[in-house]
Amino acid sequence: GEDVEQSLFLSVREGDSSVINCTYTDSSSTYLYWYKQEPGAGLQLLTYIFSNMDMKQDQRLTVLLNKKDKHLSLRIADTQTGDSAIYFCAENLGGKLIFGQGTTLQVKP
Amino acid sequence: GAVVSQHPSRVICKSGTSVKIECRSLDFQATTMFWYRQFPKQSLMLMATSNEGSKATYEQGVEKDKFLINHASLTLSTLTVTSAHPEDSSFYICSAKPLSTSGISYEQYFGPGTRLTVT
Repeated sequence: GEDVEQSLFLSVREGDSSVINCTYTDSSSTYLYWYKQEPGAGLQLLTYIFSNMDMKQDQRLTVLLNKKDKHLSLRIADTQTGDSAIYFCAENLGGKLIFGQGTTLQVKP
Repeated sequence: GAVVSQHPSRVICKSGTSVKIECRSLDFQATTMFWYRQFPKQSLMLMATSNEGSKATYEQGVEKDKFLINHASLTLSTLTVTSAHPEDSSFYICSAKPLSTSGISYEQYFGPGTRLTVT
């Protein structure tokens, strides 16, 4: 089935790490993505991971993929107030992106 | 690089009129573009897949006669909401998949969205 799930809200203090979790149900997904959406704006691709990888790090962002549990996470190190946004995970199924509901990240000063 | 623009960014129209939204890939060619709609505090819902030079493929439940899609060139796709009604008010977002010589294209780049309000 095509179902991507995320927790809806996460609140952290500036400087802490944020971990946003996502589960997906289709094991045939080839790529998994993390997008960021600021209010009233489109989606910005943050990072992606290929399904045969376990981990990918890009500056403050670390993506972990557990294919066995169909679990994807995004860790943001040293979270800043500018990181406040909605974060969407998505899986690529046959070229189509299936999105989760989005996690609102609130960063408190 | 990889910039996608949408025009207009915001439109208010009267019920019964039609509205056209443009999606352009500014610095790359895209054989495939996607149209999504997003309701407040909700995820993106794929409406249709637009391929250059051919008819769009609509997702289940999306009326193709109401949401007309034209993909006339490798850099432009348009979505026309015909006979708009208040329930069509939403945030419409397009994305474009770059044309890849290797045949593999795993990225989609999103436009900034168009806020449609039908009164």
